[in-house]
Amino acid sequence: EVQLVESGGGLVKPGGSLRLSCAASGFTFSSYSMNWVRQAPGKGLEWVSSISSSSSYIYYADSVKGRFTISRDNAKNSLYLQMNSLRAEDTAVYYCARDVGYYDFFPWGQGTLVTVSS
Amino acid sequence: SYVLTQPPSVSVAPGKTARITCGGNNIGSKSVHWYQQKPGQAPVLVIYYDSDRPSGIPERFSGSNSGNTATLTISRVEAGDEADYYCQVWDSSSDSQHVVFGGGTKLTVL
Repeated sequence: EVQLVESGGGLVKPGGSLRLSCAASGFTFSSYSMNWVRQAPGKGLEWVSSISSSSSYIYYADSVKGRFTISRDNAKNSLYLQMNSLRAEDTAVYYCARDVGYYDFFPWGQGTLVTVSS
Repeated sequence: SYVLTQPPSVSVAPGKTARITCGGNNIGSKSVHWYQQKPGQAPVLVIYYDSDRPSGIPERFSGSNSGNTATLTISRVEAGDEADYYCQVWDSSSDSQHVVFGGGTKLTVL
């Protein structure tokens, strides 16, 4: 079974840092691009970042560029999101998702909640 | 930056047909994907590449894309279809390369 499990969320103060992880299983992780998507409480989906299978191509939403860094370790079947200079507006559930073709995402993990508050 | 516009809400009676639109400039030239999200759950892909259905998604779900509008159609709507639906594209223009989501449409089954 294809599975993605996020971890690392929690409460952090404005200006702080957090590192999210996404553990993949049930498929050849190194063959797929991966993504982070977030959803603020009661709001819609917002794409955060994408990384290609070999990390050659990396893209960020304008709202996080320069503050967030996406990375992956194919040997560990893991995806990461390093989040620095966090702001209140970064508060959201963060999902990792596999790209199965042309930026169509399946499956999604269950999400991890990041709360930025003093 | 590229913008996708969805109606905030659509209501439909059980057994009828629901149509959820997604508007964007020349969206017909892009591949559109649709996701269903039920409360407290992660999104699920229901339509990809405008009109293809992943395995396990009922044939009642279909999609189309032309001109400036993509449409998700749900036939013979059931109570279990009540959810938020999001359209999504990859925008690769001269000045940006981004995944773009629509604002979402809440489908209410009356």
